[in-house]
Amino acid sequence: NAGVMQNPRHLVRRRGQEARLRCSPMKGHSHVYWYRQLPEEGLKFMVYLQKENIIDESGMPKERFSAEFPKEGPSILRIQQVVRGDSAAYFCASSLNTDRMNTEAFFGQGTRLTVV
Amino acid sequence: GENVEQHPSTLSVQEGDSAVIKCTYSDSASNYFPWYKQELGKGPQLIIDIRSNVGEKKDQRIAVTLNKTAKHFSLHITETQPEDSAVYFCAASIGGTSYGKLTFGQGTILTVHP
Repeated sequence: NAGVMQNPRHLVRRRGQEARLRCSPMKGHSHVYWYRQLPEEGLKFMVYLQKENIIDESGMPKERFSAEFPKEGPSILRIQQVVRGDSAAYFCASSLNTDRMNTEAFFGQGTRLTVV
Repeated sequence: GENVEQHPSTLSVQEGDSAVIKCTYSDSASNYFPWYKQELGKGPQLIIDIRSNVGEKKDQRIAVTLNKTAKHFSLHITETQPEDSAVYFCAASIGGTSYGKLTFGQGTILTVHP
């Protein structure tokens, strides 16, 4: 099962630097979702993207965070000027949505971001 | 928006016993309810899901029940094994354009003692 691939698995950044998290969806999936998990908490929805489109970004912080899913290549979650509070596990999920049905979301292994 | 409450936060059982985890949701428009298992250092793994047009679904030792009127759903694991130990999350989705936009519960740490 060539599942959802995220890299890097671990990322350490100093305060003020930029973090770039990558996500390649499962083969054939064109819908990507990003979630954030703070220590010992549940996952919180951040953003939902299709190829070249942001469908729902209601969970994204207003500043410093952005996401894209280009026509070619992985989806990218970018965090500019990171602060200690950005330290968390970031998970990407993908699904195969068609005009006739929705399907379940499959998650990657996550990127654990540590801001020092 | 949707709010999902999950109980208990921790659950400890002996191997072979049953485990039940309960969730309630607030938005009556929600129509998709998956359960995920998360092991330490890994991503959530879908173990079972149920859509609002059915009241119960079973897959070997795992079953999920849904009560739309009361807006709650439960996960039942029978004949638990030590490898069932993990964090379990319930979630709810309104679906429509996507079942991938999920509201998660806070999680239940399940420990199965040999």
